[in-house]
Amino acid sequence: EAQVTQNPRYLITVTGKKLTVTCSQNMNHEYMSWYRQDPGLGLRQIYYSMNVEVTDKGDVPEGYKVSRKEKRNFPLILESPSPNQTSLYFCASSSRVDQPYRNEQFFGPGTRLTVL
Amino acid sequence: AQKVTQAQTEISVVEKEDVTLDCVYETRDTTYYLFWYKQPPSGELVFLIRRNSFDEQNEISGRYSWNFQKSTSSFNFTITASQVVDSAVYFCALTRNTGGFKTIFGAGTRLFVKA
Repeated sequence: EAQVTQNPRYLITVTGKKLTVTCSQNMNHEYMSWYRQDPGLGLRQIYYSMNVEVTDKGDVPEGYKVSRKEKRNFPLILESPSPNQTSLYFCASSSRVDQPYRNEQFFGPGTRLTVL
Repeated sequence: AQKVTQAQTEISVVEKEDVTLDCVYETRDTTYYLFWYKQPPSGELVFLIRRNSFDEQNEISGRYSWNFQKSTSSFNFTITASQVVDSAVYFCALTRNTGGFKTIFGAGTRLFVKA
């Protein structure tokens, strides 16, 4: 089954304790992305990656790191989480948007993070 | 700069009513891609449609239809004969064709369909 998986689904942590949210896709997609969803703000892009070893900042990259060492994985790292990073996080993947097919982003189920 | 505006924060309708969700975007790119996604109460994000900037053809899929007007930078979504299962948050999004395909989402419109 084609899917994007994220782990953990729920996480409560404390300020300053490093954490990693994993994301993996099994569709051989080149493009992967991380978003955070906050009430009234929609989804805001944190980082995206066009392919292995190619990453770029989205609109809200501060406080986050990513890496793309393998095509299927795109972990999100919070080196020193703060309460303002409490949010719902989504990972997504797609083929290149300029390819002539549907190219929707497939989203993971979301990770609800609370930073105390 | 890119921007996607969904001015309707919440809409409430009675079942079987038609409802239109507005989406207005701003971009300097000549080629771009527009999307609509649905987020039901269960929380997952479901793709509804993609439209390329160079294809202004409107589309109908069952009770759903989309009106893309490049002249007014709008990509509106209409649900005909709404049903309770249509209750969800709907997001409009724009992806660039340059600069690594960065994506901007609107703030979303929450649709309540009452029985």
